[in-house]
Amino acid sequence: GAVVSQHPSWVICKSGTSVKIECRSLDFQATTMFWYRQFPKQSLMLMATSNEGSKATYEQGVEKDKFLINHASLTLSTLTVTSAHPEDSSFYICSRSGLAGGEQYFGPGTRLTVT
Amino acid sequence: QKEVEQNSGPLSVPEGAIASLNCTYSDRGSQSFFWYRQYSGKSPELIMSIYSNGDKEDGRFTAQLNKASQYVSLLIRDSQPSDSATYLCAVNLADSWGKLQFGAGTQVVVTP
Repeated sequence: GAVVSQHPSWVICKSGTSVKIECRSLDFQATTMFWYRQFPKQSLMLMATSNEGSKATYEQGVEKDKFLINHASLTLSTLTVTSAHPEDSSFYICSRSGLAGGEQYFGPGTRLTVT
Repeated sequence: QKEVEQNSGPLSVPEGAIASLNCTYSDRGSQSFFWYRQYSGKSPELIMSIYSNGDKEDGRFTAQLNKASQYVSLLIRDSQPSDSATYLCAVNLADSWGKLQFGAGTQVVVTP
């Protein structure tokens, strides 16, 4: 069964508003989770590493003030897209690491459309 | 810039045939390699992991790894229409614990 959940699965918002996406690890506590973005016909792009109890680590080129990540508990990480614009419309996917050798398990994703 | 490269496809495969997907990577220190399947509009699903040189089989899937050549492949035997998807190769970066670098993916289309 699923080991990572995301909510909502899709969201439509107006330009200038903020949207929060939740990512939960369902089967064990995850000190580290990852956030990706995927545009149509493109591969996954890692946005940031979410660290429980500390600041997220953002990849080069990702605006940390625009994409706020909070990993307040061992099972929940949230991504808030602030002042969303149409170019932020994308498929946002979170993941957690596995127990073995570095694999990641992905949530079902959140499709964001900014109008 | 560390890279993971795959042929984008589409790779058209007759039903029942073998689909062969290739992936090369540039980080010589990588030790963990993964294949993910992604259906259109869905998130990636882990289907194979491989850590040692050689072959690893799981059902109709076989992963092959050659670290000297920095090459990893995936074979899908007895391809079914349900195998039609994009297959992503992912490599664990040696200097960034837990982070994966993904290839662009190979689209596979299995034709009945």
